Amino acid sequence: AQSVAQPEDQVNVAEGNPLTVKCTYSVSGNPYLFWYVQYPNRGLQFLLKYITGDNLVKGSYGFEAEFNKSQTSFHLKKPSALVSDSALYFCAVMFSGGYNKLIFGAGTRLAVHP
Amino acid sequence: DTAVSQTPKYLVTQMGNDKSIKCEQNLGHDTMYWYKQDSKKFLKIMFSYNNKELIINETVPNRFSPKSPDKAHLNLHINSLELGDSAVYFCASSQERAGGYTFGSGTRLTVV
Repeated sequence: AQSVAQPEDQVNVAEGNPLTVKCTYSVSGNPYLFWYVQYPNRGLQFLLKYITGDNLVKGSYGFEAEFNKSQTSFHLKKPSALVSDSALYFCAVMFSGGYNKLIFGAGTRLAVHP
Repeated sequence: DTAVSQTPKYLVTQMGNDKSIKCEQNLGHDTMYWYKQDSKKFLKIMFSYNNKELIINETVPNRFSPKSPDKAHLNLHINSLELGDSAVYFCASSQERAGGYTFGSGTRLTVV
């Protein structure tokens, strides 16, 4: 079965420090991978995606993610965290033959402390 | 201009009632979706329509019935509401697989 795992319920980081939010996936074929962010009482906002090509993809608000096929991972990173980055982050995967269905991980809450 | 808009934003209703949530997108996308986000923030797809045709129908009680009058609209009707239906319901749309989704701001449904 196709699935996405975000092993950390919460990630705590001090402002100015680098952050990583982990994501691993299990799908057949070549997946399309996405990161979305959800601020309180808001919808999901697109951050970045990996479709093909360079394994390091850059997205909105200074975020980037690295696709690692051998480890089936797509970790989200940022070199220097801001307090305003505090939110709920979702990794998602779309697989071939899935009718464009996005399967989401359980989400990771990022808390950036001043 | 709002790309994917849902109404209402909040909905409080009693058990047993029937209610509808409306969704409209002005992006020209061919595919629309309904997702449910439960109290633990887990997101699960419910339905997907492509050009008014139902293409994804996950394991959802048949009290939930989507309707797509045209490709810009996807409404969700819920009959005989139960306490467990309380959640945030998100509408989304997409054009192609590589584009990902654009989400609406959600409808918080509370059944009392």
